[in-house]
Amino acid sequence: EAQVTQNPRYLITVTGKKLTVTCSQNMNHEYMSWYRQDPGLGLRQIYYSMNVEVTDKGDVPEGYKVSRKEKRNFPLILESPSPNQTSLYFCASSFPPYTGELFFGEGSRLTVL
Amino acid sequence: KQEVTQIPAALSVPEGENLVLNCSFTDSAIYNLQWFRQDPGKGLTSLLLIQSSQREQTSGRLNASLDKSSGRSTLYIAASQPGDSATYLCAVEDYGQNFVFGPGTRLSVLP
Repeated sequence: EAQVTQNPRYLITVTGKKLTVTCSQNMNHEYMSWYRQDPGLGLRQIYYSMNVEVTDKGDVPEGYKVSRKEKRNFPLILESPSPNQTSLYFCASSFPPYTGELFFGEGSRLTVL
Repeated sequence: KQEVTQIPAALSVPEGENLVLNCSFTDSAIYNLQWFRQDPGKGLTSLLLIQSSQREQTSGRLNASLDKSSGRSTLYIAASQPGDSATYLCAVEDYGQNFVFGPGTRLSVLP
């Protein structure tokens, strides 16, 4: 089954404790991206990657890091989480970029205390 | 900077009605526009993808149109059903490989 898998789905952590949200897709997609969804602000793009070893900032990259060492994986790293990063996070992928349908993961709800 | 808006913000209709959701974007330099459905606590599911060179796409009871020059798209849902209740979002992909989403329309179809 074609899918985008995120882990963890739910996480409560404390300020400053580094965490990683993993994202994996099994569709051989070149394009992958991360979004956060907040009430009243909608979905905003954090980072995206056009292919292995190629990443670019989206609209709200501050406080986040990403890496793309393999085509299927695109982890989101919060080096020092803060309460304003409490949000619902989505990973998405498509193939190819510009013309492709965007497939989303189920989301990861993160709470930073 | 691209901005996407959607009207109405919420809509409640009786089962069987035909309805129209609206999406507007400020910059016509886009590659495509997609309509998504989001159920509470779930991810987004792509419903229809319209390339910038296309005028409309259809899938079952759904029809989406695109007028790139005026910065507008509509999603038409025919013979609505309670299972259609969800939030519907539109998104445009600009030339910077950036997807910009609208705030969504929350639809309730009453039995």
